[in-house]
Amino acid sequence: QQQVKQSPQSLIVQKGGISIINCAYENTAFDYFPWYQQFPGKGPALLIAIRPDVSEKKEGRFTISFNKSAKQFSLHIMDSQPGDSATYFCAASMGELGNTDKLIFGTGTRLQVFP
Amino acid sequence: DSGVTQTPKHLITATGQRVTLRCSPRSGDLSVYWYQQSLDQGLQFLIQYYNGEERAKGNILERFSAQQFPDLHSELNLSSLELGDSALYFCASSRGALGHGETQYFGPGTRLLVL
Repeated sequence: QQQVKQSPQSLIVQKGGISIINCAYENTAFDYFPWYQQFPGKGPALLIAIRPDVSEKKEGRFTISFNKSAKQFSLHIMDSQPGDSATYFCAASMGELGNTDKLIFGTGTRLQVFP
Repeated sequence: DSGVTQTPKHLITATGQRVTLRCSPRSGDLSVYWYQQSLDQGLQFLIQYYNGEERAKGNILERFSAQQFPDLHSELNLSSLELGDSALYFCASSRGALGHGETQYFGPGTRLLVL
């Protein structure tokens, strides 16, 4: 019940295309859903995050879509660029209920954007 | 640069040995989190400290322990090392207002190789 399932494992997109990564969760106590971006040899860095009281959040070319009833959320990268090539992790936490902001991570998606 | 520092960057040691990983959080952050990243297990939460006290525990082995000192830096101690402990160990920090889904800032990690 603590798991966050992420797909696909890897994704190849042409420059200018749309990259879509999906995540699903079971625990309805989760109340915070961030996406992290990780480049080789670096630590994960927060990209964008959403709470379950909104269905969509957009920051530049990055959009999170959230479906509370389906317990799913996804990351859309518009106009994908070679510089977006990295590993993306979805995550979830249950801060209010769990009294901790520990993150439960998905398994990661390796995105490669070709020119 | 996230503002979180970790030392050492790389560590090579033998089975049965003990090592200490060090983390300095961002200035003003009260919470420190430790995560383990391996190929087969992904990013796994180990333990969280908040203002010197243990706040939450994840899948941390009994051979592993951590503490947060009065100056808020944290150390992760790994003992009786096994080959399977080889992984990247990340430290993250946040302001510490628990339950508000705060951004966690990750350090560059310590790559541990157990031979």
